Parts: sequence; C-alpha cells; structure tokens
Amino acid sequence: GQQVMQIPQYQHVQEGEDFTTYCNSSTTLSNIQWYKQRPGGHPVFLIQLVKSGEVKKQKRLTFQFGEAKKNSSLHITATQTTDVGTYFCAGRESGRRALTFGSGTRLQVQP
Amino acid sequence: NAGVTQTPKFQVLKTGQSMTLQCAQDMNHNSMYWYRQDPGMGLRLIYYSASEGTTDKGEVPNGYNVSRLNKREFSLRLESAAPSQTSVYFCASSEARYLEQYFGPGTRLTVT
Repeated sequence: GQQVMQIPQYQHVQEGEDFTTYCNSSTTLSNIQWYKQRPGGHPVFLIQLVKSGEVKKQKRLTFQFGEAKKNSSLHITATQTTDVGTYFCAGRESGRRALTFGSGTRLQVQP
Repeated sequence: NAGVTQTPKFQVLKTGQSMTLQCAQDMNHNSMYWYRQDPGMGLRLIYYSASEGTTDKGEVPNGYNVSRLNKREFSLRLESAAPSQTSVYFCASSEARYLEQYFGPGTRLTVT
C-alpha cells in the first residue's frame, strides 16, 4: 500500500534559525497537502501542491513538490515561537480515493 | 460558522462498552472523514464519506462503524471498545473529496 514518510520526526531550533521537513512517498502522488497542528490542537490546512516541480510561498514558508511527484518539502525561514507544532504532509496516490498522512515532524523553537 | 464540531470532547470507556462519536459541519461540505491519531503515528483514516449516502473504509476500519446521517452529520460507532482503541479521534470535512480538509477539535477516548 501507499506509504508517506516524513523526516525528521523531531527538530529543536533556536528562534531565527531555518527549518525544513521532508515528505517522501513510495508511489507517485496526484497531489500533496500540508497541515500544521499546534500542541493540543487540531490539524489546520496550510497548502496544496498539484503540479510537478511546483513551488509555493506563504510569507516565511516555502513549499515544494518534486519533479517526479514523489516527494515534497516545507521550509521555514527564520523560525519564530509561533511556528511551534507538528507539520504533516498528506498525499494522494493516483487512482486512490483518500489521502495518506505522514507521521509528522514536531518542531520546537527555543526563544 | 462553527465549522466542524465533535462531541464528546473526552470519554472514558470500559472494555466491551459501546459508544458513538458525533460530528457535524455547517460548511455545506460534501465529504466527511474520521481519523484516529496515536502518538508518533500521524493521522490514520478510519472511514470516509465522499458524499451523502456513501461511506468507504479507510486504512484502519476494523472495530468501527459509521453513519452518514445527512449532509451535515457523520457519526462513528465503537460497538465493543478495546484498549487498542484508546486514541484521539478527529472528524474532518471538505467541499469535495480531494480538497483541503477542515478538522474538528477532536475527542480524546480512553478505554480501560
């Protein structure tokens, strides 16, 4: 079955440092979504990528979809304490009817 | 708009007891989902409903049943709870099957 792996599982950074999380699929994806979950909260949608090689930016966040549509990354520039949380990718394999979520990357930001 | 609401927020069950988790959305979304979240394992899809009147199994459906009561409501039933079902349960909805999902606040369930 489809597997979506995320690395790293956990990262601790100093405020102001950059952060990147990677998402890798065993199969080609039709689309990939990214979500953020604050501690004790629920996942909140950030963005969806659909096209091969697509790059989208939201302020300090940059999202990329790989050329082969099997991997994606989320990069945060100059982290802030408000970035703390777990970041999940969720991909849909072509022909499948539902998303598969990665296990998430937990980000801790030291002030 | 309340978005996606879930009841109850917390529940403790004894092994073998049954219960129904309720979910409702007021965004006129067609698709609804039930996930469970366990530490370090991300979100795993239990069941989903692509549109009113249809339901499909997800990744981990065993031990659960669902009902899409109408367009707004999607309930999850545990017929005979087991300790392995201790988890946080999230309901979500989306306008269509492959679009962004909006999550409810979750139900924290403990089975002893």
